[in-house]
Amino acid sequence: AQSVTQLDSQVPVFEEAPVELRCNYSSSVSVYLFWYVQYPNQGLQLLLKYLSGSTLVKSINGFEAEFNKSQTSFHLRKPSVHISDTAEYFCAVSRFNDYKLSFGAGTTVTVRA
Amino acid sequence: EAQVTQNPRYLITVTGKKLTVTCSQNMNHEYMSWYRQDPGLGLRQIYYSMNVEVTDKGDVPEGYKVSRKEKRNFPLILESPSPNQTSLYFCASRPGLATDTQYFGPGTRLTVL
Repeated sequence: AQSVTQLDSQVPVFEEAPVELRCNYSSSVSVYLFWYVQYPNQGLQLLLKYLSGSTLVKSINGFEAEFNKSQTSFHLRKPSVHISDTAEYFCAVSRFNDYKLSFGAGTTVTVRA
Repeated sequence: EAQVTQNPRYLITVTGKKLTVTCSQNMNHEYMSWYRQDPGLGLRQIYYSMNVEVTDKGDVPEGYKVSRKEKRNFPLILESPSPNQTSLYFCASRPGLATDTQYFGPGTRLTVL
């Protein structure tokens, strides 16, 4: 079975500063990786995903994540955050041709002015 | 508008009083799922359904029941709620495999006294 570890539970950051959210996974087979975001009082929504091809994937709002197979990681980064990026971020993993999606415990990002 | 709806959004009840949380999606998705979100534990899957009349246990199914009589609806039933089922519940749907984008409902905050 696959599992996901998010290494930081809380990340406070100042507006316009960079942020990195760390995610490591474990799996004995090839995986697909996802980042979902949950804004306050809302459900989760997909931020970006890695399925195959280029190991660097980007979202429309400036986030990017890089799949590193040797380090079994999929860290999420943004070079300059906004107040509106305040949210909880979940890393998730699934195996090839599988239905199960396993989520990490989440990282709460609080952006301060 | 494509969406997953849940009702009620908030519910306070007492131990042992049967309740149902409804979930409906208008995207003709085959796969539907229920999660509970607890601080520090992330999202844990309760039950899932791959199609009408096809349901299976997730990681934490004890104390819950589901049914899938129609493609669009996937209610979550707590026959005899207990305080340890106090949580934030999310319904989700997607077309099929885990590589598909998963759409989440807005959540139901349940308190069992």
